[in-house]
Amino acid sequence: GIQVEQSPPDLILQEGANSTLRCNFSDSVNNLQWFHQNPWGQLINLFYIPSGTKQNGRLSATTVATERYSLLYISSSQTTDSGVYFCAVEIRQAGTALIFGKGTTLSVSS
Amino acid sequence: GAVVSQHPSWVICKSGTSVKIECRSLDFQATTMFWYRQFPKQSLMLMATSNEGSKATYEQGVEKDKFLINHASLTLSTLTVTSAHPEDSSFYICSARKATGSSGANVLTFGAGSRLTVL
Repeated sequence: GIQVEQSPPDLILQEGANSTLRCNFSDSVNNLQWFHQNPWGQLINLFYIPSGTKQNGRLSATTVATERYSLLYISSSQTTDSGVYFCAVEIRQAGTALIFGKGTTLSVSS
Repeated sequence: GAVVSQHPSWVICKSGTSVKIECRSLDFQATTMFWYRQFPKQSLMLMATSNEGSKATYEQGVEKDKFLINHASLTLSTLTVTSAHPEDSSFYICSARKATGSSGANVLTFGAGSRLTVL
């Protein structure tokens, strides 16, 4: 099956710093989503981005589908950004599930 | 927007009992729902795909007799953990996809999860 690799596994930042999270995937995908899992376990959908670039406030994401990777940028990080960030992909077959990477655990300190 | 409700959020049960978890799409019809399991500090692992009106498709290694899935309507799927044991303790999360062809059908929406503790 498709492999989804995220890096780095852990990231520690000072408040105000910028960061880039990476997601590599091993096959063509129909869908790619970035999530933030909060301390209570809720998955918050950040971006639906099978290709191209999107921005939402301090967050932006870019997916280069032909090279099979996606990047999540967090600028001016805040303590509330702490948590686990997951990349998840759906293979090129309609109706299939998202396959998750192992996540990046981000800790932002003040 | 698309909202998925999951109930209960927390459940504690004795070993040997069965527990039912509900996943509802509140403002859309979901022909397909997915059930995931997450152990502490690990990623989400797909357990099964639930299609309305048909039998669920289970991932390799998931016991279908242990984890019963029913998708009887376009807005409700249930996961029943039968004869639960402590090793079944985990965080269970469902997700739902809008009917094919509808706006936003490519985006999966997740419930808030159900934390099961088996004593």
